[in-house]
Amino acid sequence: DSGVTQTPKHLITATGQRVTLRCSPRSGDLSVYWYQQSLDQGLQFLIQYYNGEERAKGNILERFSAQQFPDLHSELNLSSLELGDSALYFCASSASGASGNTIYFGEGSWLTVV
Amino acid sequence: DAKTTQPPSMDCAEGRAANLPCNHSTISGNEYVYWYRQIHSQGPQYIIHGLKNNETNEMASLIITEDRKSSTLILPHATLRDTAVYYCIVRANAGGTSYGKLTFGQGTILTVHP
Repeated sequence: DSGVTQTPKHLITATGQRVTLRCSPRSGDLSVYWYQQSLDQGLQFLIQYYNGEERAKGNILERFSAQQFPDLHSELNLSSLELGDSALYFCASSASGASGNTIYFGEGSWLTVV
Repeated sequence: DAKTTQPPSMDCAEGRAANLPCNHSTISGNEYVYWYRQIHSQGPQYIIHGLKNNETNEMASLIITEDRKSSTLILPHATLRDTAVYYCIVRANAGGTSYGKLTFGQGTILTVHP
């Protein structure tokens, strides 16, 4: 158990819909990362927050957005969903962004768009 | 981020040591080498990381060459449950646009057989 909690574990929704994935980081961790893993792609970095502020952005679509709340939990919002958005979405956390601080991953949220 | 090169696949007999190599010839002085593994769509699991010195924990040992251009992850007594994709990642230090995120490559598929 990494200490990073993601909900829901599985989600099936229709094209065009909007979903929210939730992440609770490890206790005390200020930095949250979101990754996407689809069948034909590896683990792709989406976005990172540190103590409520966006710090780094990767290959995140404009239809996707995220935020980190004052209690440090984070949400990833996916809208106007397409079939190609079906993937595993991982949240990870670390104490800070410093490279010596280990990043721990949650078990992921499986999103299926039908 | 410094790129890493890993063999796409390796085999190992159960009970023997698994030695997974990684080349990272463009690594910078303040960048850490991290190893993660992913077992069949579970969340990436942290294994070990190091900067210059060799490191050992309850899961594995990490041997980093003196010039830091390559490293080897050693699983001392591989079991069937160690079958997974192993990722060697050079983690950029916080700052600029990277802010310490992990960039995953294709990794090495390690198959442990009886």
